[in-house]
Amino acid sequence: NAGVTQTPKFQVLKTGQSMTLQCAQDMNHNSMYWYRQDPGMGLRLIYYSASEGTTDKGEVPNGYNVSRLNKREFSLRLESAAPSQTSVYFCASSERTVTQPQHFGDGTRLSIL
Amino acid sequence: SQQGEEDPQALSIQEGENATMNCSYKTSINNLQWYRQNSGRGLVHLILIRSNEREKHSGRLRVTLDTSKKSSSLLITASRAADTASYFCSDGRGNPGGSYIPTFGRGTSLIVHP
Repeated sequence: NAGVTQTPKFQVLKTGQSMTLQCAQDMNHNSMYWYRQDPGMGLRLIYYSASEGTTDKGEVPNGYNVSRLNKREFSLRLESAAPSQTSVYFCASSERTVTQPQHFGDGTRLSIL
Repeated sequence: SQQGEEDPQALSIQEGENATMNCSYKTSINNLQWYRQNSGRGLVHLILIRSNEREKHSGRLRVTLDTSKKSSSLLITASRAADTASYFCSDGRGNPGGSYIPTFGRGTSLIVHP
């Protein structure tokens, strides 16, 4: 089982460029999430999708948009990248119930110059 | 906002020793989970403890939950060099829509010296 797959693994952008981070899961999970991880800040939730067809803002949504393309795929888009968005981005998925753990991808390391 | 907060921020021990990490949270929870993150990798789920449970074991892991103090602890017994990683707690709060919205602390960085 692949679990949660994120692409690309690394990316360097210039300020103002746009980019879409891709995430796919093969566990038939209903819920999917995007986090960013910065040194000393832990993981912060950007957006989540409780089920196919729904998306909601998390703690730090500004500067990002998401699309739940289907049950498997959840993408994160930076429309106009800023240096403050330099971070490691993690996608995760889980069953819909509140008692299920999350499964994480290995992250996308994004640098914005 | 950050819900769970781990303590200490960093822990350095010798192989064979026990490692204890603590997590505090602010609001009522449905469950609390612990995750491990190896360098350069995503988080891996270790153990989940429900709000009506007080203690749970999984192999060398022991988790306790004290809802009156809003705190949890993770004990790793007989640590190994391979346990070197960052450890995070995450609360489990359901929202009215029935989904699971977790928040994570900043983590405890554990180094186990061979």
